[in-house]
Amino acid sequence: DIQMTQSPSTLAASVGDRVTVTCRASQRITNWLAWYQQKPGKAPKLLIYDSSNLGSGVPSRFSGSGSGTEFTLTISSLQPDDFATYYCLQYDVYSPTFGQGTKVEI
Amino acid sequence: EVQLVESGGGLVQPGGSLRLSCAASGFLFRTYWMTWFRQAPGKGLEWVANIKEDGSEEYYVDSVKGRFTISRDNAKNSLFLQMNSLRAEDTAMYFCARTKGYYEVLAEFWGQGTLVIVSS
Repeated sequence: DIQMTQSPSTLAASVGDRVTVTCRASQRITNWLAWYQQKPGKAPKLLIYDSSNLGSGVPSRFSGSGSGTEFTLTISSLQPDDFATYYCLQYDVYSPTFGQGTKVEI
Repeated sequence: EVQLVESGGGLVQPGGSLRLSCAASGFLFRTYWMTWFRQAPGKGLEWVANIKEDGSEEYYVDSVKGRFTISRDNAKNSLFLQMNSLRAEDTAMYFCARTKGYYEVLAEFWGQGTLVIVSS
C-alpha cells in the first residue's frame, strides 16, 4: 500500500496568514492527489483534485501543487472559515489512502 | 441538489452484523462509482470499499475483505454495506460518497454519516 505522510499534524496560524500543508507519498503517484477540508461533526469537503484542480465552488485562496511523491496545499490568506482539519488522499492505485490530517487552529 | 443519506448504524456486539444503507438523490445514480469511507472517533479518514456503476466491480481495504460486502440497487438509487463479523476496531462513523465524474474513488459529495459502535 502507498503510505501518505502529512505534515505538520497541527498548525497554529492567524487570519491573513499564508498556510502550507505538505503530503509525501511512499512511492510515485503521478498527480492523483486530492485535498479535503473537514470541520468537527461534518463530512469532508473536496478542495483540490488531480493535485492542482480547484473543486467546485472552492475559493481561489486555496491552491494545490506537486507531482510524483511530494504535494502541497496552500491557503494564500487564511480566513476564519478555514480553521479545520485538512486531509490528503492518493487515488493512484487500489487501495486509496489518506494522510493523517493537519489541524489548522488559531 | 446531490443528497446522500446514510442509515442503519447502531450498537452491535463483537461478531455481529449490520447493514448500512445510503439513499441517493439529485443525480443519475446508475452512472457513478460509489464509495464507503469511515472515520474512527477522533481519528483520520479511511477508504473502506467502492463499487462500479453497474455493480460489476468491487474493491475493499484489506482489513474488511471477507467480512464486508458493498452492493447497490440502481433501480432504488441505493448503496449498501453489509458488515459481518464486526470487531471493536470497526467502530466508526461510516460515510457514503459519490465520486466525481468518471473517477473511481475521488469522492466529491458525501453524506453526513451513520455511526457504528461495536462493543459488548
